[in-house]
Amino acid sequence: DGGITQSPKYLFRKEGQNVTLSCEQNLNHDAMYWYRQDPGQGLRLIYYSQIVNDFQKGDIAEGYSVSREKKESFPLTVTSAQKNPTAFYLCASSLSGSADTQYFGPGTRLTVL
Amino acid sequence: EDQVTQSPEALRLQEGESSSLNCSYTVSGLRGLFWYRQDPGKGPEFLFTLYSAGEEKEKERLKATLTKKESFLHITAPKPEDSATYLCAVRGNKLVFGAGTILRVKS
Repeated sequence: DGGITQSPKYLFRKEGQNVTLSCEQNLNHDAMYWYRQDPGQGLRLIYYSQIVNDFQKGDIAEGYSVSREKKESFPLTVTSAQKNPTAFYLCASSLSGSADTQYFGPGTRLTVL
Repeated sequence: EDQVTQSPEALRLQEGESSSLNCSYTVSGLRGLFWYRQDPGKGPEFLFTLYSAGEEKEKERLKATLTKKESFLHITAPKPEDSATYLCAVRGNKLVFGAGTILRVKS
């Protein structure tokens, strides 16, 4: 079955730690995205990548970093510089980076202890 | 600046009671309007894409329509399993999401 997987489902972080969230897709999509979801707010774009070895900052990139070494993988690192990292993180992919429909993974809930 | 507003924030329906969810938008050059369903603790599930005013799409009890200023998601004779948060997103220069409408259907 084609789809998007995210791991882990739940992640706990101590203050001052960096953590990395995994996102893998086998849809052969070129574009991948990371969003953050907070209660009562729309999804906000953190980073996106339209092609391997290239990525762009979204609206709330501060305190986050990404890499795109393989077409299938787009990991997100939440660094200690992110002041309020507790949130639900969603990875998505689309066929290309234009107006194509984005398909989402199951999400990772990050909690800072 | 592109904006998306969904209303109501929450909606409670009895099973079989039809209703509509609204997505109002302002965007410079609409390149697509998207509806998603999201269950608690899960990722959004794609429902529909609409591209131009007058376009309509249907799936089971759901029907999405589009005008130049807003989109409606009509739910006909809803069942408890239709309970979820429904998200609307519009693409102009970038994709902008609304905050969603939480739908609860009681049996």
